[in-house]
Amino acid sequence: ETGVTQTPRHLVMGMTNKKSLKCEQHLGHNAMYWYKQSAKKPLELMFVYSLEERVENNSVPSRFSPECPNSSHLFLHLHTLQPEDSALYLCASSRSPGGSYNEQFFGPGTRLTVL
Amino acid sequence: GQNIDQPTEMTATEGAIVQINCTYQTSGFNGLFWYQQHAGEAPTFLSYNVLDGLEEKGRFSSFLSRSKGYSYLLLKELQMKDSASYLCAGVDSNYQLIWGAGTKLIIKP
Repeated sequence: ETGVTQTPRHLVMGMTNKKSLKCEQHLGHNAMYWYKQSAKKPLELMFVYSLEERVENNSVPSRFSPECPNSSHLFLHLHTLQPEDSALYLCASSRSPGGSYNEQFFGPGTRLTVL
Repeated sequence: GQNIDQPTEMTATEGAIVQINCTYQTSGFNGLFWYQQHAGEAPTFLSYNVLDGLEEKGRFSSFLSRSKGYSYLLLKELQMKDSASYLCAGVDSNYQLIWGAGTKLIIKP
């Protein structure tokens, strides 16, 4: 148990569906992250939020829309996804978005399958 | 460009020692992380190195050579539960983590 929870753990959706992924951290951290993890590829950073403000957006397609209503919660809204978007989506948090020793704590991920 | 290289898969025997290597090329350098990820679970922190040398933590040790852009994770007295993927991540000058693809470690009895 890392102090970061994600729901749902598994999600199957069609290309025309709209769904949302939820992440919650119980660590009092100020930064939250969304990552995409595909088989045999490095973790891809999608979004970074610091104190509810987006500070990083690594050229992610607009069909992925993040929302950070407060420092403990992070959402990833999904719409009109493509089959290549099937992956494990990981949420993480850290004390701050920068700093040399800035351990990130990860949630268990949502396994997303797009049909 | 920035890049982290580590072997895709390694196999070792229970009770033995294994060394997982990682070479990095980052714009600036502010340390290197190792994480462990069991199948279907969250990555969990193992170690952080920013100075040259070996850091020992129980059965796991991590080594860094900044001049060579090289790190390794050393696992001793391997147990079946050590079967997992091991992720190497360098921290660049913007304090962004640059991740490797991970090394899948298979432990055989």
